[in-house]
Amino acid sequence: AQKVTQAQTEISVVEKEDVTLDCVYETRDTTYYLFWYKQPPSGELVFLIRRNSFDEQNEISGRYSWNFQKSTSSFNFTITASQVVDSAVYFCALSEAGGATNKLIFGTGTLLAVQP
Amino acid sequence: KAGVTQTPRYLIKTRGQQVTLSCSPISGHRSVSWYQQTPGQGLQFLFEYFSETQRNKGNFPGRFSGRQFSNSRSEMNVSTLELGDSALYLCASSSGLAGGDSDTQYFGPGTRLTVL
Repeated sequence: AQKVTQAQTEISVVEKEDVTLDCVYETRDTTYYLFWYKQPPSGELVFLIRRNSFDEQNEISGRYSWNFQKSTSSFNFTITASQVVDSAVYFCALSEAGGATNKLIFGTGTLLAVQP
Repeated sequence: KAGVTQTPRYLIKTRGQQVTLSCSPISGHRSVSWYQQTPGQGLQFLFEYFSETQRNKGNFPGRFSGRQFSNSRSEMNVSTLELGDSALYLCASSSGLAGGDSDTQYFGPGTRLTVL
């Protein structure tokens, strides 16, 4: 069965601190996709990144970076120099490929609070 | 390009009633998925529609149903509402690529349903 674990329920940091959100996944599929979404208080899930299982290159986008390690089944997300606007709930999600479906399995989310 | 829209944004119903929620996907997207978000169960997949056909279904009772129209707009219906159906219902759209490659899903703002 597929499963996503986000062990950190809440994280509180002070602005400009770096913060890493952990994501560990389980799947029997050899081909799969991993995602990160941000959910601000407004409720809408905002897409941040999609990574397929064959691409283990780390990715950086501005202050955001992602570390994908198949050996440990982890897909961690780091925010550098955090800002108050980064305060939100962040979800990691997993989806199988080749199954003609877009079903996402979500973790329980990590609430990030960035204090000014 | 307009994003995913959902109507209504807020809804209050009483137990036993039924409700219909609407979702308009991003123009050109043919796949629409629905998710339920509650504090206790988190984000859970309800179902996915592609080209007017249900492509996948989550583990929800038959009171939850949906459909998709030829213009890709989708509706979901919940009959005989229960208190536990109170939740944020999120709709997501994606291109629905042939071959089952997992698309990136873009979410709407959600409909917050309260059952009294």
